[in-house]
Amino acid sequence: QVQVQESGPGLVKPSETLSLTCTVSGGSISSHYWSWIRQPPGKGLEWIGYMYYSGSTNYNPSLGGRVTMSVDTSKNQFSLKLSSVTAADTAVYYCARGTPSYYNYMDVWGKGTTVTVSS
Amino acid sequence: EIVMTQSPATLSVSPGERATLSCRASQGLSLNVAWYQQKPGQSPRLLVWGASTRAAGVPARFSGSGFGTEFTLTISTLQSEDFAVYYCQQYNDRPITFGQGTRLEIK
Repeated sequence: QVQVQESGPGLVKPSETLSLTCTVSGGSISSHYWSWIRQPPGKGLEWIGYMYYSGSTNYNPSLGGRVTMSVDTSKNQFSLKLSSVTAADTAVYYCARGTPSYYNYMDVWGKGTTVTVSS
Repeated sequence: EIVMTQSPATLSVSPGERATLSCRASQGLSLNVAWYQQKPGQSPRLLVWGASTRAAGVPARFSGSGFGTEFTLTISTLQSEDFAVYYCQQYNDRPITFGQGTRLEIK
C-alpha cells in the first residue's frame, strides 16, 4: 500500500525559500503524477502544482512563478520549493499521488506538514 | 481558471437522514470531478472520482452524480463518522481547482 510523507522545516522566515520533501513508500514513484496542495489555517484547499515522474511540471499561476518542483527517482522522493514566502504562505502542506493520466485526481495523501512563515 | 462553487456552505442534517451536497463549475468538465472528505486534523480522503465512481473502500451510502457543470454528492443514510467537510475538485483543466467546501454538521 503506497504511502507518502511530507518533511521539512516548520518555520520559515519571510522572503526566504520554503523547501519540503515528500517520500513515497510501498510503491514506485514512476508512472504517476505527484502533487503539492496547501491549506491555510481554517481555509480550503489550494493546488500548488504537480510533477510527472519523468520531470515535467505544471504549476498554479496564482503563485506567481515562485514554485519549483523536482523529483529524485533513486530515492523515491519529490520536492517543493516556494520562494519569497510571506505570511500568506503559512499553511498545512500536503503531498499527494495523482493517478497516471493527464486527467488525474489525488488518491493517496500524506498527513500534511505545518509551515509557518514568521520572523 | 475554473471556479468550483459548492452549496450550501454548511448543511445541518440528523443522523440517519439523507444529505445532498452540490458543486457547480464555471465551465464544462465532462466527468472530471472528484469529491473528498476531510475530518478535523486529518488529510483529505478521496471518496468519488469520475463524478460517480466510488474510490476503494468507500461505503455504498456515498454516491456521486452529474456531468458538465452540475455535480452532486449524496450520502444516503448519515452515520456519525460522516460529519466532516466535503470538497469537490475539478481535474479537467489546469490549474486544478477545489470548491470552498461544504461543512456537514449534526442537526
